[in-house]
Amino acid sequence: QQPVQSPQAVILREGEDAVINCSSSKALYSVHWYRQKHGEAPVFLMILLKGGEQKGHEKISASFNEKKQQSSLYLTASQLSYSGTYFCGTELLAGNNRKLIWGLGTSLAVNP
Amino acid sequence: DAGVTQSPTHLIKTRGQQVTLRCSPKSGHDTVSWYQQALGQGPQFIFQYYEEEERQRGNFPDRFSGHQFPNYSSELNVNALLLGDSALYLCASSLDTGEDIQYFGAGTRLSVL
Repeated sequence: QQPVQSPQAVILREGEDAVINCSSSKALYSVHWYRQKHGEAPVFLMILLKGGEQKGHEKISASFNEKKQQSSLYLTASQLSYSGTYFCGTELLAGNNRKLIWGLGTSLAVNP
Repeated sequence: DAGVTQSPTHLIKTRGQQVTLRCSPKSGHDTVSWYQQALGQGPQFIFQYYEEEERQRGNFPDRFSGHQFPNYSSELNVNALLLGDSALYLCASSLDTGEDIQYFGAGTRLSVL
């Protein structure tokens, strides 16, 4: 049930773009994206719901392909502050019995 | 507006001991989820509390138990500690609405020697 994230690691120069993918073998209700910097708590970036529209946040946006059960996180014109580990959390059911199942993360390093 | 707070920040225990971790949710949130995060791994869901009851549980043994109080704060208890229990324990709070966005605390780093 654990979603698969790819790539495992990305190294960018400041200003470059990146795409992080999150795939599930199960039908998804929602996909959550978080960023965690070393030694800190994960920070919410955005959520995509089944039937919802593509979301955007500053220069970070995401899409959700319901047919493929896949979400992609797009980072454009990357900044040094984008460095960290990106996790997707997938939710299989709506309603009271809900829990997020997390991928293993994608490590992103943005260098000057 | 205080965010999610966890205590203690760090903890060192020996095998066989018991530990209690505490979490105060973000103001207005009624749901608390606990996660275990091993080094270099993603968070692993332990359980979720809502209305003082365990609503959902991950694949963790009964040594892991919890509690939610009327003020929505929560405790995670781990009995008979094993070396493998060493990890960062994260608490996340949310509001029981459609989107269920979770806000995380900084975590408690547990080391079992």
